[in-house]
Amino acid sequence: DAGVTQSPTHLIKTRGQHVTLRCSPISGHKSVSWYQQVLGQGPQFIFQYYEKEERGRGNFPDRFSARQFPNYSSELNVNALLLGDSALYLCASSFSAGAYEQYFGPGTRLTVT
Amino acid sequence: SQQGEEDPQALSIQEGENATMNCSYKTSINNLQWYRQNSGRGLVHLILIRSNEREKHSGRLRVTLDTSKKSSSLLITASRAADTASYFCATGSGYSTLTFGKGTMLLVSP
Repeated sequence: DAGVTQSPTHLIKTRGQHVTLRCSPISGHKSVSWYQQVLGQGPQFIFQYYEKEERGRGNFPDRFSARQFPNYSSELNVNALLLGDSALYLCASSFSAGAYEQYFGPGTRLTVT
Repeated sequence: SQQGEEDPQALSIQEGENATMNCSYKTSINNLQWYRQNSGRGLVHLILIRSNEREKHSGRLRVTLDTSKKSSSLLITASRAADTASYFCATGSGYSTLTFGKGTMLLVSP
């Protein structure tokens, strides 16, 4: 069975641009969470979606938005990119919402120049 | 914000030795989980311990939880070079999502 997949693997953007990151959960998983991991830190929670509804939002500005589609895949959008948005963006899926065992994708490395 | 704090920040041992990492947290939890991350890629779930459990084993891993001290420890026995990675504790409360610590970097030398 395929694990969590994310695309693209790497991305280089310029300040002020916007970016869309994509995630496909494990088959049968209905919850997707997004995390930002800056070098040397642990992952920071951005969003959690379950059954296409937002179930949680971390302490991130409104430039960050996300959505979940009927097939449970998800997109994370970031507008007006800042240098500080450079990070590894991780997607994780789980069967249900909440703080249960999560399965992570390989991440998207975003570099903002 | 980070809920958990792992200690030490970095640990270097020889193959065959045991590795112990500690995690402290601040608020009440439903469960505590440990994850491993290799070379800045995706995290791999290792073990989950519920707040009403005190100890749990999985292969070479042993996790303890002391809710009165708000702390947990991860023991890896008979370490291998392949165990070289960053290890994170993550706490879960209610229907919230996970809150991760800053991690411990483990280096196991052959």
